[in-house]
Amino acid sequence: GQQVMQIPQYQHVQEGEDFTTYCNSSTTLSNIQWYKQRPGGHPVFLIQLVKSGEVKKQKRLTFQFGEAKKNSSLHITATQTTDVGTYFCAEVGGSTLGRLYFGRGTQLTVWP
Amino acid sequence: NAGVTQTPKFQVLKTGQSMTLQCAQDMNHNSMYWYRQDPGMGLRLIYYSASEGTTDKGEVPNGYNVSRLNKREFSLRLESAAPSQTSVYFCASRTGVGYTFGSGTRLTVV
Repeated sequence: GQQVMQIPQYQHVQEGEDFTTYCNSSTTLSNIQWYKQRPGGHPVFLIQLVKSGEVKKQKRLTFQFGEAKKNSSLHITATQTTDVGTYFCAEVGGSTLGRLYFGRGTQLTVWP
Repeated sequence: NAGVTQTPKFQVLKTGQSMTLQCAQDMNHNSMYWYRQDPGMGLRLIYYSASEGTTDKGEVPNGYNVSRLNKREFSLRLESAAPSQTSVYFCASRTGVGYTFGSGTRLTVV
């Protein structure tokens, strides 16, 4: 099946610093979804990107889909302690069954 | 509107015991999924159900069975639990574009 590689696995930042996680694939992605999972919690859907070169913003979060649709990134500006958690990218399978293929996630720690 | 409800939240089993994890959604979604999450491994699909009465294997189905009892409920059964099945299990249903996950079942097999 599809496989998305996510880097880095861990990131520790001081509050106020920026943070970026990257999602890469060797094949063209039909779409990419991003999820956030707080410690001890469950994944929560953030956004879906579909178009080549697409950029979407949610307050301090900026999501990008590469021009070749083989990579995506999530950038957080001026991190806050509430941003702590693991961020996952995932591709929805091309069939109508809608299977999600997850990356392994980037665990973000924010020091106050 | 509860979304996706999973029970139990925590469970400890002895090797060889069986149990069923319950999942119910109240959003009238057709598609439901069972994932397991292990440290550093992301989420891996165990089984899924595209609609009532249909189920299909995901990436890691060995040792599990599922039942789509009706449109609302999708259960996951471990017939003979093994330590390798120690994990956090998440049920999900499709919310149009995004997926809604339950709060998870933390299972330990000793």
